[in-house]
Amino acid sequence: SQKIEQNSEALNIQEGKTATLTCNYTNYSPAYLQWYRQDPGRGPVFLLLIRENEKEKRKERLKVTFDTTLKQSLFHITASQPADSATYLCALDPGGYQKVTFGIGTKLQVIP
Amino acid sequence: DVKVTQSSRYLVKRTGEKVFLECVQDMDHENMFWYRQDPGLGLRLIYFSYDVKMKEKGDIPEGYSVSREKKERFSLILESASTNQTSMYLCASSPSFGRAYEQYFGPGTRLTVT
Repeated sequence: SQKIEQNSEALNIQEGKTATLTCNYTNYSPAYLQWYRQDPGRGPVFLLLIRENEKEKRKERLKVTFDTTLKQSLFHITASQPADSATYLCALDPGGYQKVTFGIGTKLQVIP
Repeated sequence: DVKVTQSSRYLVKRTGEKVFLECVQDMDHENMFWYRQDPGLGLRLIYFSYDVKMKEKGDIPEGYSVSREKKERFSLILESASTNQTSMYLCASSPSFGRAYEQYFGPGTRLTVT
């Protein structure tokens, strides 16, 4: 069966360091992979989308990589700040008229 | 900015009651979705709709129904609420399928069934 794995444990990181979150998947061939941020008690907010033929995508302090051979995406936040503390969800999109599947998310805590 | 609004932030209902959750989006999006989110289980798709009067079952449709009479509005109905339907319910919308589009989420409705 299809499976998406994100580190379910919280990730604690010192302010100013680079945070790296992992999204692994099995039995899946996504055309696109998306990352969302979710704050407590709120709906997810879209951050970045990467296509299967793209290796890397950047937006300000955010960087996403997508390795379809390893079936893995890495999400990096450089120069992390306490305001980056949130839960980050990856979502796999097979494309076409098919539904997106979300991972359970990784909780990031940036310590001042 | 895309805006997705949900009718209530918090809702408390009794077992057996019929519950209506309303969602409205203001960006003329074709697709709308209903999810529930539970600790340790993440976001699970209940139903989605890619056009007015169209609906498709998601991963966990049992105990739920939906209605989409107008493009901007997508309603989730719990015909007879049960305690295992206590959850955070999230509505989302996106432009057409066929391209890579992100989903825009509402603020969520925290439903408690007692």
